[in-house]
This record gives sequence, C-alpha cells and structure tokens, in this order.
Amino acid sequence: DAKTTQPTSMDCAEGRAANLPCNHSTISGNEYVYWYRQIHSQGPQYIIHGLKNNETNEMASLIITEDRKSSTLILPHATLRDTAVYYCIVREQNSGAGSYQLTFGKGTKLSVIP
Amino acid sequence: DTGVSQDPRHKITKRGQNVTFRCDPISEHNRLYWYRQTLGQGPEFLTYFQNEAQLEKSRLLSDRFSAERPKGSFSTLEIQRTEQGDSAMYLCASSSTSGGRPPQYFGPGTRLTVT
Repeated sequence: DAKTTQPTSMDCAEGRAANLPCNHSTISGNEYVYWYRQIHSQGPQYIIHGLKNNETNEMASLIITEDRKSSTLILPHATLRDTAVYYCIVREQNSGAGSYQLTFGKGTKLSVIP
Repeated sequence: DTGVSQDPRHKITKRGQNVTFRCDPISEHNRLYWYRQTLGQGPEFLTYFQNEAQLEKSRLLSDRFSAERPKGSFSTLEIQRTEQGDSAMYLCASSSTSGGRPPQYFGPGTRLTVT
C-alpha cells in the first residue's frame, strides 16, 4: 500500500471547518483513500473513503485531487468532540491476493479549540 | 447493530501470566482482525480471519500469541507468559466481504498492563 504523509498536529476553532490534508504521491490506480479517527482511549472510527471522486457522508467530506496525489478531509463545523487523531490510509480495494491489513501512520492530532 | 465489542476493557496482569481477550464482531461480518497499539503509535496489524480460517499473520504475532475463531463468530486472542513489552491496547475490528475490501469497524479495545 502507498505511503501517506500528514501534518503532526492542527488546531481548529469550534464551529469552523477543519481541513485535514494528506499526501499520497505514490498512490496507484486501484488504491482507495480511507480516513479513520481515534478519540483518546477509544478504538479507531471509520469516517469515509474514496477512489477519485469527491465523497460526502454525514460525518465529513473527502476531496481528492485530480492527480490523486493528495486529499483533504473536511469536517464542516468542528465541535469539541471532533478532537482526535485522524489517520489517512491508502489501500487496495480489490479483493484477491495481498494483505487485508490497514497500515496506520502517526496521523494528525486535531485539537478543536472553544 | 451493536458494533464490535471486546472483553475485558482493561486487564492488569503480572509478568509470566497468561491472558485471554475476547472479541465479538458485528453480527453479519465474516472478516475479523486483531491489532495492537502502543502509546503514541498508530495501531499495528496482528492477524486476520475470514470465517474460522486464519488467513494472515503479522511477524509481530510471536509464538506466545495465539488467536482463534472456532465457529466463525467471536474470536479470542491469548498471550502466554506475558512480558512488560506486551502492555498495549489490543483492538479488534470486523468487516463484511462485500465490495472487495470494505471498511473495518473497530471495537473499544482491551488495555493490557503487565506489571
């Protein structure tokens, strides 16, 4: 799976949009971008994933650049409960040969400030 | 859908003792994963089951670790002769088999402290 690069930490004011970037310049054509977050002392929580089109669900939006070398997770109205470590993971979607594991990096620690 | 559950949530044990953790996946999920997370690091993959078959094991899974999923439902992870380096959060996740590799959904974890 391709390697990802994320900033170590970010701050966001409560009520504002939080934009979390991720670089994945070596992503291949059949690899998806997944986002998870982990609130302190809890298990990781799945947020969203996408291939090349922008995606939106009830939690967040995922914007993937046209060349797919980077993406941004957007939390439209951050709340204090969004304070967490956010992980960007690139992995092959198709079943068959290859590992099913998720490879987590160190993620971005997002602090939402009142 | 009650989510992935893990038991116990916390375990303190003395070095050299054996411990066993249980994971109950989301009911319709036939894939189950174990991960380990130490302080300040992201989760690291340990092993993966599809139904009752253990299909993938990480080199992190030493001989002292064994995982089972006997009936393709719940799973157990046993650590024999625990060491202080085994202190970590042990996470279980599950997923369905639809659409290739759908998202994995994680449980709350079992925090192990070896004294």
